[in-house]
Amino acid sequence: DIQMTQSPSSLSASVGDRVTITCRASQSISSYLNWYQQKPGKAPKLLIYAASSLQSGVPSRFSGSGSGTDFTLTISSLQPEDFATYYCQQSYSTPSITFGQGTRLEIK
Amino acid sequence: EVQLVESGGGLVQPGRSLRLSCAASGFTFDDYAMHWVRQAPGKGLEWVSGISWNSGSIGYADSVKGRFTISRDNAKNSLYLQMNSLRAEDTALYYCAKELVQGVIAYWFDPWGQGTLVTVSS
Repeated sequence: DIQMTQSPSSLSASVGDRVTITCRASQSISSYLNWYQQKPGKAPKLLIYAASSLQSGVPSRFSGSGSGTDFTLTISSLQPEDFATYYCQQSYSTPSITFGQGTRLEIK
Repeated sequence: EVQLVESGGGLVQPGRSLRLSCAASGFTFDDYAMHWVRQAPGKGLEWVSGISWNSGSIGYADSVKGRFTISRDNAKNSLYLQMNSLRAEDTALYYCAKELVQGVIAYWFDPWGQGTLVTVSS
C-alpha cells in the first residue's frame, strides 16, 4: 500500500495566519491527491480533489498544490471555523485507497 | 439536498455478523458509485469498500476482504455493508459516502453521512 505521511501532526495558529499542511506519498501518485476537513463530532468534508481542484462551496482561501510525491494544503487566512483536523487521501492506487494520519489545527 | 443516513450499527460479539444500511436521498442514486469509510475511535480514516453505480465494479480494503460484502439496491436508494466474522479491530464509526462525480469511481468522497457506530466486544 502507498503510505501517506502528513506534517505536522498538529499545529497551533492564530486567526488570520497563513497555514500550510504537507502530505508526502511513499511513491509517486501523480495528482491523485485529495484533502478533507473534519470537525469534532462531524463527518469529513471534501475540500480539494485531484491535488488542486477546489470543491464547490469551499472558500477560496483553501488551495492545494503538488504532484508526484509532495503535496500541500494552504489556508491563506485562517478563520475561526477552519480549526479542525485535515486529512490527505491518495486515489492513485485503487482500490487500495489510503489516508494520511491527519493534521490537527488548533487555535493558538 | 443530498442526505445519507446510516443505520444498523451496535454492539456485537467477536465472530458475529452485522449489516449496515445507508439510505440516500436528494440525488439520482443509481448514477453514482458509493463507498464505506470507517474511523476507529480517536483514530484516522480508513476506506473499507466501494461499489459502482451498477454494482459491476466492487472493491475492498485488504483488512476486510473475504469478511465484508458491499451491495446496493438502486430501487430502494440504499447501500449496504454485510460484515461477517467481526473482530475487535473492526470497532469504528462507519460512514457512507457518495462519489463526487457521476458514472465513475474516482474515490472522491462527497458528501458523507453522519456514521453508524459498530462496537465489537465480548
